[in-house]
Amino acid sequence: DAGVTQSPTHLIKTRGQQVTLRCSPKSGHDTVSWYQQALGQGPQFIFQYYEEEERQRGNFPDRFSGHQFPNYSSELNVNALLLGDSALYLCASSPAATNEKLFFGSGTQLSVL
Amino acid sequence: QKEVEQDPGPLSVPEGAIVSLNCTYSNSAFQYFMWYRQYSRKGPELLMYTYSSGNKEDGRFTAQVDKSSKYISLFIRDSQPSDSATYLCAMSPNYGGSQGNLIFGKGTKLSVKP
Repeated sequence: DAGVTQSPTHLIKTRGQQVTLRCSPKSGHDTVSWYQQALGQGPQFIFQYYEEEERQRGNFPDRFSGHQFPNYSSELNVNALLLGDSALYLCASSPAATNEKLFFGSGTQLSVL
Repeated sequence: QKEVEQDPGPLSVPEGAIVSLNCTYSNSAFQYFMWYRQYSRKGPELLMYTYSSGNKEDGRFTAQVDKSSKYISLFIRDSQPSDSATYLCAMSPNYGGSQGNLIFGKGTKLSVKP
């Protein structure tokens, strides 16, 4: 049983560019959450998707947007990249119908130059 | 003041030592408390999950919650080199699948020397 898979594992972009990160949730999970983890910091909640809609959002600007597809996979889009967007982006999945905990993927390391 | 405070360490102990990791928090709405372990270049892995004040034990790990003091701890007995990782505390006012909005501490980097 595959866990949460994220792609790509590493990405280098230039300031001002746009980036799309992808996540496939664990089998049986329908809720996807995205977190940003800067170096030396704990993960910070960006937003959560359920039934293809954004259900909750953390304190992140509109440059951060997302999407969830009918197969529950999800994308995180970041526009107008800033140097400060350099971080590990983590995807976590859970089943909405039960009280099972979050499972995290290994993340996408984004470097903005 | 941050909602969750955690000493980032680093913490270095000899193999077999008892390790104590701690977090304090300020938001009384937090009801659910978690400890995650994160190895280098990996995502966080859930270790312990507690709700009520008191202790919860799982093998060599014990999680302790004191809601009156807004203080949580993780104890690792008989620490092993394989326990070397960053330990993150996390909290949420919500339970179960709606707990997407976890609030994490900075993490404490632990190194267990053989």
